[in-house]
Amino acid sequence: DAGVTQSPTHLIKTRGQQVTLRCSPKSGHDTVSWYQQALGQGPQFIFQYYEEEERQRGNFPDRFSGHQFPNYSSELNVNALLLGDSALYLCASSLDLVGETQYFGPGTRLLVL
Amino acid sequence: GQQLNQSPQSMFIQEGEDVSMNCTSSSIFNTWLWYKQDPGEGPVLLIALYKAGELTSNGRLTAQFGITRKDSFLNISASIPSDVGIYFCAGQEQGAQKLVFGQGTRLTINP
Repeated sequence: DAGVTQSPTHLIKTRGQQVTLRCSPKSGHDTVSWYQQALGQGPQFIFQYYEEEERQRGNFPDRFSGHQFPNYSSELNVNALLLGDSALYLCASSLDLVGETQYFGPGTRLLVL
Repeated sequence: GQQLNQSPQSMFIQEGEDVSMNCTSSSIFNTWLWYKQDPGEGPVLLIALYKAGELTSNGRLTAQFGITRKDSFLNISASIPSDVGIYFCAGQEQGAQKLVFGQGTRLTINP
C-alpha cells in the first residue's frame, strides 16, 4: 500500500520563475492538502483540494495555486518566485470523513536563488 | 500565520529518561494530533486525540487532550536513540480542514 508520494524531491529555481510540485495521495484517499514548512518552523497550511476544487485556503497570496485531478493527485504551482518561498513543501492526504487524519508525504525541498 | 505554542523548543536528555512536552492554544480545537519529523522527511503521525480529557497511548508514547480543548501534552517513557527528531503538535478546529501546527520540540538524546 503506497503512501503519499511527492515529486521532485529537490528543486532549485531563481527569483521570478514558476514552479510546479506534484503529489499522489495515499491509496484510497480523496483529499489533498498542501503545507509550506520554512526551516525551523512548523508546517503552514496553504490550501486543500477535494473533488477537484479548492475547499479551504490559508493565508497565502494568489501566486500559490493548485489543481486536483480526477485520480485525486494534485499539483501546487507557485508563480513569480521570491527568495522567501524557499521551504519544504509538504503534501498530506486524507479521506473526506469526520475524524480522518492527514498523512504526509516526504516533501519537496525548494530553493529559490 | 496562526500557530500553537509548543514547549520546550528543544530538549537534551540521557537515554532511558522520560520526556514531556506540551502545546497550548488560545483557540479551541476538536482534534489534537502529535507528529514526529526526521530530517529530510515529512511528519509521521504518532497519536490522534478526538475527545476532551482523552488519554491515549501508543507503546512508550502517551498523549492527553486537555479538558479545556486548548492544550495537549505528549510523554515519552524510557527514551531510546530512535526517539531523536522533531515533535510537532497540531490542532484542528471543528468544521475546518486545515491543521494548525506548533513550532516543534527538537529532542536530542545522549547515549
